[in-house]
Amino acid sequence: AQSVTQLGSHVSVSEGALVLLRCNYSSSVPPYLFWYVQYPNQGLQLLLKYTTGATLVKGINGFEAEFKKSETSFHLTKPSAHMSDAAEYFCAVSDGNAGNMLTFGGGTRLMVKP
Amino acid sequence: DGGITQSPKYLFRKEGQNVTLSCEQNLNHDAMYWYRQDPGQGLRLIYYSQIVNDFQKGDIAEGYSVSREKKESFPLTVTSAQKNPTAFYLCASRSTGGNYGYTFGSGTRLTVV
Repeated sequence: AQSVTQLGSHVSVSEGALVLLRCNYSSSVPPYLFWYVQYPNQGLQLLLKYTTGATLVKGINGFEAEFKKSETSFHLTKPSAHMSDAAEYFCAVSDGNAGNMLTFGGGTRLMVKP
Repeated sequence: DGGITQSPKYLFRKEGQNVTLSCEQNLNHDAMYWYRQDPGQGLRLIYYSQIVNDFQKGDIAEGYSVSREKKESFPLTVTSAQKNPTAFYLCASRSTGGNYGYTFGSGTRLTVV
């Protein structure tokens, strides 16, 4: 069975500050990892994904994440927060079994202060 | 443009009524999913379908039903047996040919009045 833990259900940063959203996973096979963003009353939008290859993955809106196998982590970062980054962020893992279903973390709400 | 369309965006249900939420995709995706999202909570899987005319229960299937008569369509019925249906419902799809994550619809907010 696979699982995802997002540390911190709420994260607050100042505009221009570093954004760091934490994600740890468990998987019995090499994982595929995803970050999604959700704005209020909208669906989830894919930010970035790791499948194979380079462990540092760049996504949309200036976000990136690094797959660290030894730490079973896939933390999401952005060097400088913008007000428009305020949203909920979900980390997800797929292990290629069970029809490639994704398991989602509980989500982290990012608040950006002016 | 390809995508997933959920309708309606807002839906109001009276006590004891069944309501059906629509989910249509033109991405030629094989698999489709229904999730429920409550305030401050993550996504909980209701039902999923990997192929036409076949579907499986997720973690919280009680009080819900689905059908998959066409590849493009995966409607969700919230029955009167669902005691607390007020929530945000998300439909997603993916191609089983690759591990590329899900594409989500924009959601339906269901409120019991």
